[in-house]
Amino acid sequence: EAGVAQSPRYKIIEKRQSVAFWCNPISGHATLYWYQQILGQGPKLLIQFQNNGVVDDSQLPKDRFSAERLKGVDSTLKIQPAKLEDSAVYLCASRRIEGAEKLFFGSGTQLSVL
Amino acid sequence: SQKIEQNSEALNIQEGKTATLTCNYTNYSPAYLQWYRQDPGRGPVFLLLIRENEKEKRKERLKVTFDTTLKQSLFHITASQPADSATYLCAGARYGGSQGNLIFGKGTKLSVKP
Repeated sequence: EAGVAQSPRYKIIEKRQSVAFWCNPISGHATLYWYQQILGQGPKLLIQFQNNGVVDDSQLPKDRFSAERLKGVDSTLKIQPAKLEDSAVYLCASRRIEGAEKLFFGSGTQLSVL
Repeated sequence: SQKIEQNSEALNIQEGKTATLTCNYTNYSPAYLQWYRQDPGRGPVFLLLIRENEKEKRKERLKVTFDTTLKQSLFHITASQPADSATYLCAGARYGGSQGNLIFGKGTKLSVKP
């Protein structure tokens, strides 16, 4: 089966600019996650979608980050304006249902904010 | 706050030996733990899941244990090979809604020398 697709793979921007990341989960996976992984750290959850509804966005910095999942399939994560500390890898993951199911991760987008 | 801790940032072992990685959790009682492998520039890949009522799970050369008294999981790779070199992430979660979201440790970077 096809994996989780993410684009772009790399992005370099200057602080205060905006950036958007795209994710296409595995077909049929109802649950989609965006994680932020800073170098040397484990992934940190930003937002969880169940179909096209938000389940958990408690750790999303809502003053600058936004995410949507239209039609319950693809998702976009946006940062506006970016700060230096946003430099990280942004990982998208999906799983078939909630519960003790494994996550399937994409390869991530590496963001550098200068 | 709820924490998953992997206290060893790096572990170096000789090929053929058993690698043992430790995962501890605090202020938290995960219903299950998952272990992932992450290679440089890639997203994490699921390896094993163990539930709180299970003592041990095995898959080929991999073994994971779950000790709810010690609040600890051990991950073993027997007969290790250079190809096992990667970062290994421990993650825990409970069931239901946002509680089902995985909390990740920082990971342990394993290097297997020939």
